[in-house]
Amino acid sequence: DAKTTQPPSMDCAEGRAANLPCNHSTISGNEYVYWYRQIHSQGPQYIIHGLKNNETNEMASLIITEDRKSSTLILPHATLRDTAVYYCIVRPRSNDYKLSFGAGTTVTVRA
Amino acid sequence: GAGVSQSPSNKVTEKGKDVELRCDPISGHTALYWYRQSLGQGLEFLIYFQGNSAPDKSGLPSDRFSAERTGGSVSTLTIQRTQQEDSAVYLCASSSRTENTEAFFGQGTRLTVV
Repeated sequence: DAKTTQPPSMDCAEGRAANLPCNHSTISGNEYVYWYRQIHSQGPQYIIHGLKNNETNEMASLIITEDRKSSTLILPHATLRDTAVYYCIVRPRSNDYKLSFGAGTTVTVRA
Repeated sequence: GAGVSQSPSNKVTEKGKDVELRCDPISGHTALYWYRQSLGQGLEFLIYFQGNSAPDKSGLPSDRFSAERTGGSVSTLTIQRTQQEDSAVYLCASSSRTENTEAFFGQGTRLTVV
């Protein structure tokens, strides 16, 4: 019961920005939006998370709509090493909850 | 160590045998999670520990699966009487008790039941 909807796949050109959408229309006030990615044959890797303000770190930017029903993960300059499955997850503030992974978006960065 | 460590990295076992998979979380992390990922599939939640207790074990697929955690640190996932459908990568993650912190995953144990 992942509570998020993501496109199954998308392609991106190397060096261009990749914009990954996620719908979470049933998100509640105490739930954060988390993004993880899983590169082939590796464990998932944390990218970024946010509540309602836009967030940026060295890996990506997270844009959350004002109504919080959707968000976009932006990889500003995609490289071939960014090819992975990207998971959008909503999770309560407390860490006493599991991370529920959906199917994610398979992102393929092409040269 | 600096990250979550899992052992063994690969395990091949015969159908019907018992296996134990080990997870060493990041030092000081009180939360520990087990997931499994079958070939080409998503991550399936198995069990969650907070300290030594398991408030959520809803994902364990059958009573052949059990897990324990001792000293608030190392965790062992045990699968009894393994079946071929148990073949998967078993992933462990840990996080601190602080709110809104990320979980760190290990590289997983690839279990093959033949």
